[in-house]
Amino acid sequence: DSGVTQTPKHLITATGQRVTLRCSPRSGDLSVYWYQQSLDQGLQFLIHYYNGEERAKGNILERFSAQQFPDLHSELNLSSLELGDSALYFCASSAIGDTQYFGPGTRLTVL
Amino acid sequence: QQQVKQSPQSLIVQKGGISIINCAYENTAFDYFPWYQQFPGKGPALLIAIRPDVSEKKEGRFTISFNKSAKQFSLHIMDSQPGDSATYFCAASTGGYQKVTFGIGTKLQVIP
Repeated sequence: DSGVTQTPKHLITATGQRVTLRCSPRSGDLSVYWYQQSLDQGLQFLIHYYNGEERAKGNILERFSAQQFPDLHSELNLSSLELGDSALYFCASSAIGDTQYFGPGTRLTVL
Repeated sequence: QQQVKQSPQSLIVQKGGISIINCAYENTAFDYFPWYQQFPGKGPALLIAIRPDVSEKKEGRFTISFNKSAKQFSLHIMDSQPGDSATYFCAASTGGYQKVTFGIGTKLQVIP
């Protein structure tokens, strides 16, 4: 158990809808990272937040957004969903100068 | 653009054999090279990591070999076991671990 929690575990929705994925980092970790994992793309870095502030952006679509709250949990918002957005979404957290620890992921299915 | 190239994408090894996964990178600014292990339905978990000032690191049956001049690194799993069957990702990042770039992954199957 990495100490990173993600909810929900599974999410099934329809095209055009909006969903919110939630992540709670390990106790004390200020950094939260979001990744998308699909069969043909591997693990793709989406975005990094540190103590509430956006620090780095990767291949994140404009339809996606994220934020980190004062209690350090983070949410990834996916809107105008398309079939191609179906994937596993992972959250990871880290302390300064430490490696990233991944949560169990949220499996999103867009029908 | 794949900044970390990983091969092979799938690997079948007999129990007791050596599993070898190779990775190559282009960005010389990378200074931290972790390997992650992922079981089905789980998130990736850190297995072992190396910095470029070290040519080899061993932890139990797992060894990373690093060739800085060739910009290549590899994972060796000695005495491979069925429980090692998982997907392995090599990765690379720059200082601060802010942005980790992952390889495509290698699905390892260890058969009895």
